Amino acid sequence: DGGITQSPKYLFRKEGQNVTLSCEQNLNHDAMYWYRQDPGQGLRLIYYSQIVNDFQKGDIAEGYSVSREKKESFPLTVTSAQKNPTAFYLCASSLRDSRAIYFGEGSWLTVV
Amino acid sequence: RKEVEQDPGPFNVPEGATVAFNCTYSNSASQSFFWYRQDCRKEPKLLMSVYSSGNEDGRFTAQLNRASQYISLLIRDSKLSDSATYLCVVNLMIYNQGGKLIFGQGTELSVKP
Repeated sequence: DGGITQSPKYLFRKEGQNVTLSCEQNLNHDAMYWYRQDPGQGLRLIYYSQIVNDFQKGDIAEGYSVSREKKESFPLTVTSAQKNPTAFYLCASSLRDSRAIYFGEGSWLTVV
Repeated sequence: RKEVEQDPGPFNVPEGATVAFNCTYSNSASQSFFWYRQDCRKEPKLLMSVYSSGNEDGRFTAQLNRASQYISLLIRDSKLSDSATYLCVVNLMIYNQGGKLIFGQGTELSVKP
């Protein structure tokens, strides 16, 4: 099936630990995105990438890092520098400069 | 001023009602527009794109007014299954960086029997 796969779906992290969320797409989309959503809040853009080996900071990039070594993959690392990491993380992809983006099912990160 | 603003919710309506969602955007350079639907604890899913001439998909009608920088979504004959949060989304083209999608806060709809 074509789509966007995020893993893990649920992740618990101890304070001070880095964690990496995986995002893979087989839609042959050029652009990929990471958003964060807090309860009752809208989506906020963390990072995005329009092409392989290039990415830009979104509105809330501090405490996060990404890489785009392959077109299909855009992993997000939540570092210990992110002070409030508990949230719902959504990966998305689109054709470059597309009219719409499509989301994976999301990853729930909880700091314990 | 927020880049994309939606009606604050929630909207509570009976089945069969017609409900309208409104959205305004601040950047006149915005180039494309969408409505997404998000169910509780799920990912947003594209409901429909919004075209300048207005467009309809079954019970759903979307309209765009570029002069007023205003987008709307109308749901006719609402069903229980329409209960969700509706997100207004604007694609802003940024020179040398491609498109940047900006999401509204969403308006929650609850359709009651």
